[in-house]
Amino acid sequence: KQEVTQIPAALSVPEGENLVLNCSFTDSAIYNLQWFRQDPGKGLTSLLLIQSSQREQTSGRLNASLDKSSGRSTLYIAASQPGDSATYLCRDNFNKFYFGSGTKLNVKP
Amino acid sequence: NAGVTQTPKFRILKIGQSMTLQCTQDMNHNYMYWYRQDPGMGLKLIYYSVGAGITDKGEVPNGYNVSRSTTEDFPLRLELAAPSQTSVYFCASSGTDISSYEQYFGPGTRLTVT
Repeated sequence: KQEVTQIPAALSVPEGENLVLNCSFTDSAIYNLQWFRQDPGKGLTSLLLIQSSQREQTSGRLNASLDKSSGRSTLYIAASQPGDSATYLCRDNFNKFYFGSGTKLNVKP
Repeated sequence: NAGVTQTPKFRILKIGQSMTLQCTQDMNHNYMYWYRQDPGMGLKLIYYSVGAGITDKGEVPNGYNVSRSTTEDFPLRLELAAPSQTSVYFCASSGTDISSYEQYFGPGTRLTVT
């Protein structure tokens, strides 16, 4: 069974800082790796999807990378803003859609 | 378009009671999913459906039942509620293959079993 882990569980940074969120997985046979954002009391919003054949994807200030050999993905957020405050979840889209437990990000003005 | 709607938003059940969580999508999506999210955790897949009349188990199906009689609706049934089923339940839908990038999520139903 795939195990997806996200460290740290919570992160607080001052506005403007660049930051990296980590996601690790035990089974490298992933189909694709997806990053989501979840705001309090809301459902999930998809941010980036990386196919297993890709190394990274970019959208605006977000960049996600995937290294299957080491079982890791990272989400890089450039020039963080208070509006980025949310919980960020990664997910392996193969089979049963295994989610990590998330990193709760707080960007302080 | 309303997207994915879920009712109720909140519910408190006593142990042993039954209830149905409703999920409706108006995007004509073939694929629909039910997840649960426990506090401080990621989501876990309960059941999914690839079309009307077809359902399959996810990672945590025990204690739940589903049906899919129409494309639009995918209700989740709890027969004998237990405290372990206290969670937030999310329904989602997607229009293409089961690993589609475009999974649209409902706002969730917060269920407490006491």
